[in-house]
Amino acid sequence: EVQLVESGGGLVKPGGSLRLSCVASGFTFSTYNMNWVRQAPGKGLEWVSSITSSGSYVYYADSVKGRFTISRDTATSSLYLQMDSLRADDTAVYYCTRSLNSASDIFAFWGQGALVTVSS
Amino acid sequence: DIQMTQSPSSVSASVGETITITCRASQGVSAWLAWYQQKPGKAPNLLIHAASSFQSGVPSRFNGSGSETDFTLTILGLQPEDAATYYCLQAHRYPFTFGGGTKVEI
Repeated sequence: EVQLVESGGGLVKPGGSLRLSCVASGFTFSTYNMNWVRQAPGKGLEWVSSITSSGSYVYYADSVKGRFTISRDTATSSLYLQMDSLRADDTAVYYCTRSLNSASDIFAFWGQGALVTVSS
Repeated sequence: DIQMTQSPSSVSASVGETITITCRASQGVSAWLAWYQQKPGKAPNLLIHAASSFQSGVPSRFNGSGSETDFTLTILGLQPEDAATYYCLQAHRYPFTFGGGTKVEI
């Protein structure tokens, strides 16, 4: 069974930093692209960032480019999102997702989410 | 960026009725289109990928169709557990983009 478990969320002041982690299990982590998707309170879904299976390529939404960094560690089957220069509009539930397969980047599996609140 | 316009934003229907949700892309996305169901406080659940392919375990009353710019999700014979918000997603080109969502009330 595919499982994705996020951690690292919390309350942070504007301008601060936070690092989200996602531990994956139930599949061969090194063969799937991984992604972060967020949802602000009461709002819709927003893709944040993606990383290819090898970690060679990364992609970011314009809203987070230059402030967020996605990375992965095959040894621990972990996905990370380093979030710097946080702003109030970064407040959201952040979901770790796995792509469907090697041919499709559709977000097939989701974690339970980690709440990040940016407030003074 | 590819914009995804989803309609209606909300719909109210009765048990047993059939509803249709549409998603229009600002440019062609081939069949790189998925539909999700999200219930309050939960992560989204993948229903349909490749525009019309069922995800494992999804009831057959959920049907997806379309290609390039126009897509539909049809729910045949609504059930009480179908009350949720539904989103489309294009995964053809970065940045991947979601529709604004359709809240289904039963």
